[in-house]
Amino acid sequence: EAGVAQSPRYKIIEKRQSVAFWCNPISGHATLYWYQQILGQGPKLLIQFQNNGVVDDSQLPKDRFSAERLKGVDSTLKIQPAKLEDSAVYLCASSFPSRGAGTQYFGPGTRLLVL
Amino acid sequence: DAKTTQPTSMDCAEGRAANLPCNHSTISGNEYVYWYRQIHSQGPQYIIHGLKNNETNEMASLIITEDRKSSTLILPHATLRDTAVYYCIVTYSRDDKIIFGKGTRLHILP
Repeated sequence: EAGVAQSPRYKIIEKRQSVAFWCNPISGHATLYWYQQILGQGPKLLIQFQNNGVVDDSQLPKDRFSAERLKGVDSTLKIQPAKLEDSAVYLCASSFPSRGAGTQYFGPGTRLLVL
Repeated sequence: DAKTTQPTSMDCAEGRAANLPCNHSTISGNEYVYWYRQIHSQGPQYIIHGLKNNETNEMASLIITEDRKSSTLILPHATLRDTAVYYCIVTYSRDDKIIFGKGTRLHILP
């Protein structure tokens, strides 16, 4: 089966600019996650969707980050305006209901550099 | 915060078994132990999980102590491609979110 797809793979922007990332989960996976991974640290959950509804966005900096999953399939994560500390890898993951949230399948990530 | 303690780094010779320890002394009765790994420039990859019994799949074996306060991930015949950061994660249920710590950086030496 095809894996989780993410684009772009790399992005370089200047601070105060906006940026958007796209994710297409594995077919049939109802749950979708966005993580932020800063260099040298483990991934940190930003937001979790169940179909097109938000389950957990407690760690999402809502003043600048937003995410949507309109049709319950693919999703976009946006940062506006970006700050230097947003430089990180943004990972998308999905999980299948019968296997539970502990078993997640990750995409390759988008590496963001904010100058 | 992560509920597990792992060594920062480990080395293992190619072809030998790699044994990665994890302490989770505050684990409760219905919490699962999950292992993921992250190869450089890739997303994390699910390896295995368990509740009480030892588990084995095509990638690895998971040994959980009887008191469940620690576990060991075993890669039976390590190859250079197993060089990665390995994360041990404890989560309440199959449906609870997972929280990554810093993991163990495993170096497989030729």
